[in-house]
Amino acid sequence: AQSVAQPEDQVNVAEGNPLTVKCTYSVSGNPYLFWYVQYPNRGLQFLLKYITGDNLVKGSYGFEAEFNKSQTSFHLKKPSALVSDSALYFCAVRDMTGHSGAGSYQLTFGKGTKLSVIP
Amino acid sequence: KAGVTQTPRYLIKTRGQQVTLSCSPISGHRSVSWYQQTPGQGLQFLFEYFSETQRNKGNFPGRFSGRQFSNSRSEMNVSTLELGDSALYLCASSFTGTSGGASYNEQFFGPGTRLTVL
Repeated sequence: AQSVAQPEDQVNVAEGNPLTVKCTYSVSGNPYLFWYVQYPNRGLQFLLKYITGDNLVKGSYGFEAEFNKSQTSFHLKKPSALVSDSALYFCAVRDMTGHSGAGSYQLTFGKGTKLSVIP
Repeated sequence: KAGVTQTPRYLIKTRGQQVTLSCSPISGHRSVSWYQQTPGQGLQFLFEYFSETQRNKGNFPGRFSGRQFSNSRSEMNVSTLELGDSALYLCASSFTGTSGGASYNEQFFGPGTRLTVL
């Protein structure tokens, strides 16, 4: 079965410093990987995805993520953190368990990492 | 385009009652998925509907059910509510895209319905 691990419950970073939110995954077959962000009392907002191609994926709001197949990681990064980046971040993988037909899929999420950017 | 809408946004019920939540996907999206989010269990997949058919289901008891209408709107129902059903229920609609020759689904989430069971 697919799984996603986000080893840090919370990450604190000073405004202007680079940030990294870690994610490792376990899948059978080719991984389809996603990052979502959730602000308080809001749903999930899509940040970026890796399907195939370049290992460095650029997404919304200046975020990027690096796919590393050998380390089965998909860490989220940003060169310069903003206070407004403070939120809950989820890594997810397309889960083929129970796949019941073409296009059918579900996302398996990590537990989430709370990012706090300190002014 | 309007985003995914969910109604109601907040709901308070008591144990034993049943509840119905509604989700309207983005226009043109035919797939709707439901997720439960709790502090303890995180985000868990409930089920996915496509063209009025359930084509994938997570590990939830039969008290959780859903359906999709011909206009792609979806409802989920929870019967005989338990305290542990208190959660944020998220709906996501998706379309199929391609990237580098590979097809994938990109999901867009609604704001969720906060269900509190007393």
